[in-house]
Formats: sequence, structure tokens, C-alpha cells
Amino acid sequence: DIVMTQSPDSLAVSLGERATINCKSSQTVLYSSNNKNSLAWYQQKPGQPPKLLISWTSTRESGVPDRFSGSGSGTDFTLTISSLQAEDVAVYYCQQYYRTPLTFGGGTKVEIK
Amino acid sequence: QVQLQQSGPGLLKPSQTLSLTCAISGDSVSTNSAAWNWVRQSPSRGLEWLGRTYYRSNWNYDYAASVKSRIIINPDTSKNQFSLQLSSVTPDDTAVYYCAKGWELTVWGQGTPVTVSS
Repeated sequence: DIVMTQSPDSLAVSLGERATINCKSSQTVLYSSNNKNSLAWYQQKPGQPPKLLISWTSTRESGVPDRFSGSGSGTDFTLTISSLQAEDVAVYYCQQYYRTPLTFGGGTKVEIK
Repeated sequence: QVQLQQSGPGLLKPSQTLSLTCAISGDSVSTNSAAWNWVRQSPSRGLEWLGRTYYRSNWNYDYAASVKSRIIINPDTSKNQFSLQLSSVTPDDTAVYYCAKGWELTVWGQGTPVTVSS
């Protein structure tokens, strides 16, 4: 199985400041057909299912604010919230969909400082 | 807009079979451009993918090794839905269960809390 390791476990950031979440895969998730990494990011708020924010490492879903961005290559990936808003308080997960079993990181809880 | 609506009981006793259904609106379970997944979430296991089905000229199934001997995912084209059956449940199967569409999971059901307790 591909193990996804997120850091940090939690993060407190002031409103308007940058939040950075890291995710490392135990092996490549590069899909050769399109030369893109099969890496997604989700946001989960209490009592709700996860919501897909970003797929293919850096492609934002429709309606996702542009303060959310994804980057990375190889086995190291990053989700950045450029200017934290109150509504961004949530747990964030990375996930690989390169091969089954689909696997998730352990989550990063983002709070307001 | 695709929506997934889950249904099924939330309380089971050990050794019983968990049965959940995910009704699809805005898409077809037999589309050849999507997969239909079950995922569960618990404090001890985090987010855990259980399995999926998808149609590519015939029906295909992928299951997580951790539940492979106990799980069945069934598409139902007549009702445009898919189901999860997990047999011989134990308290360790207590979790919130979600259905979800896609390879990356683009659309999720609302979640069904399931408790296994004697």
C-alpha cells in the first residue's frame, strides 16, 4: 500500500496569514498517461463529509477560492492557504488515487491563532 | 449536479451484516467514466477506503485487503444505486460510512454513522 504521511498534525495561523500543509507519499503517484501526480486534497468540517478541493496535485475544483493552491512533485506535496479566513478552519487530508487501495493522510487540523 | 443519498441502519450487533445503499441522482451507476466507492472514517482508523465498483464493458470491483473476505459492493442499474454489504461485523467496524464518486472522490454522500455493539 502507498502510505501518505501528513505534517504537521495541527496548525494555528492568524487570520490573513499563510498556512502550509505537507504530504509525503511512500512511493511515486505519477500517472504516466498524463504525466501528473494522482494526488488530491480534501477539506472536512465537523459533521460534514470531506470536500474535494484540489486534484492532480494542483487543479482546483470549481468554486474553490484561489487562496487554496497545491504543488509538489516526486513524493512531496503541499497545500497552501495563502490568506487564512475564518471559514477555512477545518481538517485537511491528502489522498493518492494512483493505485488501490486508495489511501489518505492522517489529517492536519487548521485553527485560528 | 451529482448527488448521493445514503440509507441504511446505524446500529448492529456483532456478527451481523452491515447493509447500506447509495442512491445516485444526476449521473448513472453504469457510466463508463466514473467509479463508485465506499469509504469509512473512525478516530482509530482515520479515513479508510473500503472498495469500489465501475463499469467498463463489464462490472469491475476493487476491495481493500483489510475487508476483502467480508465485503460486497453491488451496483443496481434498475434503481441507479450501489450498495455495501459488510458481513460478520465487530465493534472495530464502528465508523461513519460514506459513499463517494470518482477516482479522486469528487462527490460524497452525507455519511451514515454505524455503531456495532452488543
